[in-house]
Amino acid sequence: GAVVSQHPSWVICKSGTSVKIECRSLDFQATTMFWYRQFPKQSLMLMATSNEGSKATYEQGVEKDKFLINHASLTLSTLTVTSAHPEDSSFYICSANKVETQYFGPGTRLLVL
Amino acid sequence: TQLLEQSPQFLSIQEGENLTVYCNSSSVFSSLQWYRQEPGEGPVLLVTVVTGGEVKKLKRLTFQFGDARKDSSLHITAAQPGDTGLYLCAGAQGGSEKLVFGKGTKLTVNP
Repeated sequence: GAVVSQHPSWVICKSGTSVKIECRSLDFQATTMFWYRQFPKQSLMLMATSNEGSKATYEQGVEKDKFLINHASLTLSTLTVTSAHPEDSSFYICSANKVETQYFGPGTRLLVL
Repeated sequence: TQLLEQSPQFLSIQEGENLTVYCNSSSVFSSLQWYRQEPGEGPVLLVTVVTGGEVKKLKRLTFQFGDARKDSSLHITAAQPGDTGLYLCAGAQGGSEKLVFGKGTKLTVNP
């Protein structure tokens, strides 16, 4: 298998602030990582593909200026939710690709007050 | 239009019963993965299938990839309360690393 970590596991912030979430592949290198969002009782929704050393590719309807992604190394991708609002509250999950399989992090619960 | 149709969406059964979850599509996938997710956690990989007709077994779980690589099934024998969770199928197409997810099957196994 492969291990992917996320930090923090949960965060509460005030409306208007920015929040950074880290995703790390602990025992392998990943040129590609993915960021998902999951609403209660629903499946995962892909937000963007994070590419090491280049710009992220965003899915249709996802604001790239709102959700900033940086993939500066082969083991770390970050997602920054800028000027967060209550509607951004959700469960954010990252994954990293290893040999045709995506391995997921444990998720980050974001609550914006 | 959902690319991967997963059914049933909800399933509540008694301990010891058998069940099958289906994942169907009109599209061909180069690989298909099954995950299990518990509340507040990330999905955990159960299996990856890549060959048409492939059957993989993981203890009481049997996974099958259709011959045409358009569908897959997960069969659980003698379900236990510990099998409770959200089961997700996800497929990769062509050379893309992106996964297309089904809507998930929420399984509850009652003792």
